[in-house]
Amino acid sequence: GAVVSQHPSWVICKSGTSVKIECRSLDFQATTMFWYRQFPKQSLMLMATSNEGSKATYEQGVEKDKFLINHASLTLSTLTVTSAHPEDSSFYICSANPSQGAEQFFGPGTRLTVL
Amino acid sequence: QKEVEQNSGPLSVPEGAIASLNCTYSDRGSQSFFWYRQYSGKSPELIMSIYSNGDKEDGRFTAQLNKASQYVSLLIRDSQPSDSATYLCAVNDGAGSYQLTFGKGTKLSVIP
Repeated sequence: GAVVSQHPSWVICKSGTSVKIECRSLDFQATTMFWYRQFPKQSLMLMATSNEGSKATYEQGVEKDKFLINHASLTLSTLTVTSAHPEDSSFYICSANPSQGAEQFFGPGTRLTVL
Repeated sequence: QKEVEQNSGPLSVPEGAIASLNCTYSDRGSQSFFWYRQYSGKSPELIMSIYSNGDKEDGRFTAQLNKASQYVSLLIRDSQPSDSATYLCAVNDGAGSYQLTFGKGTKLSVIP
């Protein structure tokens, strides 16, 4: 149990375009999902907390107008990187909690490369 | 500012030895503690959770928690080359949020 999927697993796009990443909880409902970013050889950085039916909570320094998060159902959260630039190239990972505890299960990640 | 500290390593141990990974946290009110394993280029995988003082064993893994010392550790017995990865310590403050504070991770290398 507690399986989280992400789509796509990797994406290459041109600078200035927008990219949408999906995060799904496959065998449980998640009122809260988390979006992280990880640059090579660096630690996980929490970008935002996605709340079903309400606005996401962004961490300090993360531009909410650039990283649009939508959590429209209990099993799906999406992250849209708008007007992507090469510096947005990174490994984007989502996670979700299957129960009323703090255990988070991670999706496999999406590797974004912006040319 | 809640902090979780780990030795970045690399920690090198010979195959078959015990690997000991350590973590300290700053928030005394923390309630839940987790160890994740992350292979290079992959996302983190939950391997252990611990909520009360003492030891918790799962196969070759043992998590140890000492809330008085604000210290949590992970022991890996009979280390295998496949255990070579970065191990992340994560802490939840139990204040109603499910957010985790992660350490920067310890890189473990198991030498055949």
